[in-house]
Amino acid sequence: NAGVTQTPKFQVLKTGQSMTLQCAQDMNHNSMYWYRQDPGMGLRLIYYSASEGTTDKGEVPNGYNVSRLNKREFSLRLESAAPSQTSVYFCASRNSGGPQQFFGPGTRLTVL
Amino acid sequence: GNSVTQMEGPVTLSEEAFLTINCTYTATGYPSLFWYVQYPGEGLQLLLKATKADDKGSNKGFEATYRKETTSFHLEKGSVQVSDSAVYFCALSESTTGFQKLVFGTGTRLLVSP
Repeated sequence: NAGVTQTPKFQVLKTGQSMTLQCAQDMNHNSMYWYRQDPGMGLRLIYYSASEGTTDKGEVPNGYNVSRLNKREFSLRLESAAPSQTSVYFCASRNSGGPQQFFGPGTRLTVL
Repeated sequence: GNSVTQMEGPVTLSEEAFLTINCTYTATGYPSLFWYVQYPGEGLQLLLKATKADDKGSNKGFEATYRKETTSFHLEKGSVQVSDSAVYFCALSESTTGFQKLVFGTGTRLLVSP
């Protein structure tokens, strides 16, 4: 069991470029989440997916889009990156039967 | 809305010292409470949890008790080790439209020196 995996681990973009962060889980979880982590602000929820085929906005969705491709995969897209999106991005998943979320190792994104 | 407040860090201790990291929350209803730990360069891992008032979560020598009367969930450890150096996040679960989400505190960095 790999748990939750994320690619890439590191990325540097120029303002205006686009990219997709990939996330996959092998625990057969229904729910998946995308967070960003910024110094002094903890983790903030960007988007979440309660189940395959559904997605909803979290606390800070502006500038992002998501796709729940199938039960395993949940991707986050930046269409036109901005320096304010420099952050560490974490994907997480959860089994519907329990409160615990399982986190991936994170993607460190820098937008110049 | 719901929120979690943690003490500012960093917390700097010598090995074998006693640790307390304060966490208080504001919530409607009775959320589950969590402590997550983030070691350098890694994602968050669940350290312990409590799902109802007066429950005590414990793991790896860490403990926290769900106190409804003081809306607190303070993290404690009797004797810290250098390997405990990490960032600790307190969190609560909230359910909106029947879906569970976590609300995190800002994190507290712990530095333990030999």
